[in-house]
Amino acid sequence: EPEVTQTPSHQVTQMGQEVILRCVPISNHLYFYWYRQILGQKVEFLVSFYNNEISEKSEIFDDQFSVERPDGSNFTLKIRSTKLEDSAMYFCASSVEPGELFFGEGSRLTVL
Amino acid sequence: SQQGEEDPQALSIQEGENATMNCSYKTSINNLQWYRQNSGRGLVHLILIRSNEREKHSGRLRVTLDTSKKSSSLLITASRAADTASYFCATDANDYKLSFGAGTTVTVRA
Repeated sequence: EPEVTQTPSHQVTQMGQEVILRCVPISNHLYFYWYRQILGQKVEFLVSFYNNEISEKSEIFDDQFSVERPDGSNFTLKIRSTKLEDSAMYFCASSVEPGELFFGEGSRLTVL
Repeated sequence: SQQGEEDPQALSIQEGENATMNCSYKTSINNLQWYRQNSGRGLVHLILIRSNEREKHSGRLRVTLDTSKKSSSLLITASRAADTASYFCATDANDYKLSFGAGTTVTVRA
C-alpha cells in the first residue's frame, strides 16, 4: 500500500542550526502538508502546498520556515535557524484532493 | 479558532465494550474527520463525514454529526486491545487546513 515516507526519523540539532526535513508523498497526490506536534500537545497545522505554491500557512510558519518541492517526488520543510521551541514531531501529509490526509510516521526534531 | 475539542480526555474500557468520544467545534465546516494515533506514530485516517451527513459507518466505527450543535461523536463497538490509541477529530473551513483537537486517549484493557 502506498505510504508517505519521512526522513530522518529523529534529528538532534543545536539551537541556531538549519534543519531540513524530507518527505516523499504518495505519488499521485496533489496536495501536501506539514503539521507538527509538540510532545503532549495538539497536532498543529503549519503549511499546505498545492500546484507548486503555498496555499495556506499558519502563524507558526514564520520567516524561518520554508517549503520546497525540488523535484517530482520530494517535499521538504526547512527551518533556517532552529529554536528550542521548535522541538516537536513534524508530520508530512498528502492527499489526492482536499479531505482525507495520509500522514507519514513523522520526524522527531530535538533542538538543544 | 474552529479547533475541535474532544471529550473525554481519557477513557479506559474493558475489551469488548464500546467506546464513545465526542468532539465539539466552533465555526462552520465542510467536513469533519476522525484520526487515530498510536503512541509515537503517525496519524491514520479513520472516517470523514460531510457537513450534510448525519451519520456514517465504517466497520466497527460509527460517527455522527450534528451541525446545529457543532458536535460529533465517534463510537467504537466491541473494542479490542489494538484499539488502544489517541483519537482526534479534525475540522476544516477550507480545502487547505485541518484543525485538530487535543484528542481522547483510549485504553482498552484485556
